[in-house]
Amino acid sequence: EPEVTQTPSHQVTQMGQEVILRCVPISNHLYFYWYRQILGQKVEFLVSFYNNEISEKSEIFDDQFSVERPDGSNFTLKIRSTKLEDSAMYFCASVETGHNSPLHFGNGTRLTVT
Amino acid sequence: GQQLNQSPQSMFIQEGEDVSMNCTSSSIFNTWLWYKQDPGEGPVLLIALYKAGELTSNGRLTAQFGITRKDSFLNISASIPSDVGIYFCAIRGAGNMLTFGGGTRLMVKP
Repeated sequence: EPEVTQTPSHQVTQMGQEVILRCVPISNHLYFYWYRQILGQKVEFLVSFYNNEISEKSEIFDDQFSVERPDGSNFTLKIRSTKLEDSAMYFCASVETGHNSPLHFGNGTRLTVT
Repeated sequence: GQQLNQSPQSMFIQEGEDVSMNCTSSSIFNTWLWYKQDPGEGPVLLIALYKAGELTSNGRLTAQFGITRKDSFLNISASIPSDVGIYFCAIRGAGNMLTFGGGTRLMVKP
């Protein structure tokens, strides 16, 4: 079964550094998402992306965050200047079409900011 | 944003026992979803509910969409060790944006 793949599985970075988290959504999917989960807490929506632009974003997704689909397969989340509180699991998800289709989540990237 | 109250926060049960967890909201929703998260992995959809009163099963799992559209429950019958994980309810908003409950951590003692 096709999967959403994320790299790296674990990223350690120093506060103030830029990080790029990478995702390869399922190939025929059209809608892409980033969610995050702070350790021990619930999964929170960050941003949705369709047709090369952001569809929705949450309050968490401030100016430090950006998303890009640089080519036909990758979907990236960039954090410009990481803060300690950015430490979390970041999950990419994709959905084939429409807004009632089930989301397929990747296994996440654990970001640790020191 | 929307708030979902999920309970219990954790459960430690004996293998073979049945499990029940639920979510409530102050608002009405058209879709309730139940996900399971295994350690080190992303959430996996278990059951999706689209109509008030709907009762849907997936193997030993059964979920219901409350009549008021403000709640849902998930039951697991005859639990086994691989049921261990965190179970999340979620509701779907605009643009397929999911809001998750706080999760129920299930531990099963063999």
